[in-house]
Amino acid sequence: DGGITQSPKYLFRKEGQNVTLSCEQNLNHDAMYWYRQDPGQGLRLIYYSQIVNDFQKGDIAEGYSVSREKKESFPLTVTSAQKNPTAFYLCASSFGAGDTEAFFGQGTRLTVV
Amino acid sequence: GQQVMQIPQYQHVQEGEDFTTYCNSSTTLSNIQWYKQRPGGHPVFLIQLVKSGEVKKQKRLTFQFGEAKKNSSLHITATQTTDVGTYFCAGPSGGSNYKLTFGKGTLLTVNP
Repeated sequence: DGGITQSPKYLFRKEGQNVTLSCEQNLNHDAMYWYRQDPGQGLRLIYYSQIVNDFQKGDIAEGYSVSREKKESFPLTVTSAQKNPTAFYLCASSFGAGDTEAFFGQGTRLTVV
Repeated sequence: GQQVMQIPQYQHVQEGEDFTTYCNSSTTLSNIQWYKQRPGGHPVFLIQLVKSGEVKKQKRLTFQFGEAKKNSSLHITATQTTDVGTYFCAGPSGGSNYKLTFGKGTLLTVNP
C-alpha cells in the first residue's frame, strides 16, 4: 500500500532539546517537502528536496535542518535554535517539480514544553 | 519571493448557500493547484489548472484560472456539511519550479 508516512503523530519535547521528525514515502517520488502549519498561517515551507543528496531552504528554514540520504526518506530536525517549535508539521512528496500533485503525510503535532 | 494570497480567511455559510474563495499570486504561475484539508486531517489534492483562462468542474466545485495566470478561484454551489474544511491554493516557484508555495487558506464552515 503506497503512501507517505510520518511518525510519530504526537511528540512532546522539553525546551532546549533537538527533535527529529520522520517522513518516509514509497511512492518513488523525487521531490519531498516539509511544511509547518500554525492556526491562521496556512502552510509555510521549511525545506524542500528535488532529489537525493540535495535540498533547499524554504521560507522559514531558520532553526531547522534536513537530510536526504535516501530517496524515500526526508527527516526534519527541529533544533533548540527554533524559537517557537510547537506546531503541526506536514511532510509531502511529488513526482517532480511543483507542477505535479503533492501527497501529504498525516502530520506530526510537536509540543515543546 | 513569490507570495500567494487567499481571501477570505474564514467563511461561514448556511447549508445550500454558495461559497467562493479567491487566490492571488504576486508572480505569474505555470500552474495552480487546489487542496482541501478537513478538520484534524492533512491537505488532499483537488485539482490543477495549467492554461490561461481555464475552467474545470468537479460536481459542485468550479475552478478558474485567470487570463494572466496570477489569480484563481474556487466556487462551491449549494454547499453541504461535507464541504467543511480549509481550502488552499498553491503555486510553484523557484528556478526549477520545485518550490511549492501555499496560500493561507480559507476555512469554510457550514451550518446545517
